[in-house]
Amino acid sequence: QKEVEQDPGPLSVPEGAIVSLNCTYSNSAFQYFMWYRQYSRKGPELLMYTYSSGNKEDGRFTAQVDKSSKYISLFIRDSQPSDSATYLCAMNQAGTALIFGKGTTLSVSS
Amino acid sequence: NAGVTQTPKFRVLKTGQSMTLLCAQDMNHEYMYWYRQDPGMGLRLIHYSVGEGTTAKGEVPDGYNVSRLKKQNFLLGLESAAPSQTSVYFCASSYSSGAAGMNTEAFFGQGTRLTVV
Repeated sequence: QKEVEQDPGPLSVPEGAIVSLNCTYSNSAFQYFMWYRQYSRKGPELLMYTYSSGNKEDGRFTAQVDKSSKYISLFIRDSQPSDSATYLCAMNQAGTALIFGKGTTLSVSS
Repeated sequence: NAGVTQTPKFRVLKTGQSMTLLCAQDMNHEYMYWYRQDPGMGLRLIHYSVGEGTTAKGEVPDGYNVSRLKKQNFLLGLESAAPSQTSVYFCASSYSSGAAGMNTEAFFGQGTRLTVV
């Protein structure tokens, strides 16, 4: 079993929809959880960062971490065509490199 | 502020040729990483460095070597390129992946598209 599992999609939604993206992981030592957004032919860029469990909100984006279930989520409210990208979850523990999920490709149609 | 810069952006190699990919960061980051990204495989860690003069193997290190002679540079070498090394290579850097609460955000370069024929 890979350390981080993420459904690659693709996921297609209409503009204005609420999008839910998820990752599961197997290493209970992971403490830092991130979501990166990657546009086509570009490098990934950090979207959300969470340390340990809980929720974090930034505008239309909400990140949730449930360490008891080893499950993290990213919610996008009022999705826009500009949100069309690949979303990668990433996580690590202190002193180790980031481990990424395979990424979920999202398409938002206007 | 340039951030993370990768050179070259594109390259085509013949099987058996060697090359070096250069990554430079101007953020004084301690940690630097090389990842490869393949369709359906996500980002996989090749090698990483926690500081000048130190390197460590990642998930897929075979066929690659790295060096971190200067803090701001991280080089990825392919000694004898193989078609299986056709991929998009990303370099990243971060302040640390360390103490509780410290920001471990990794900043990525724009990638190098390598084709081995």
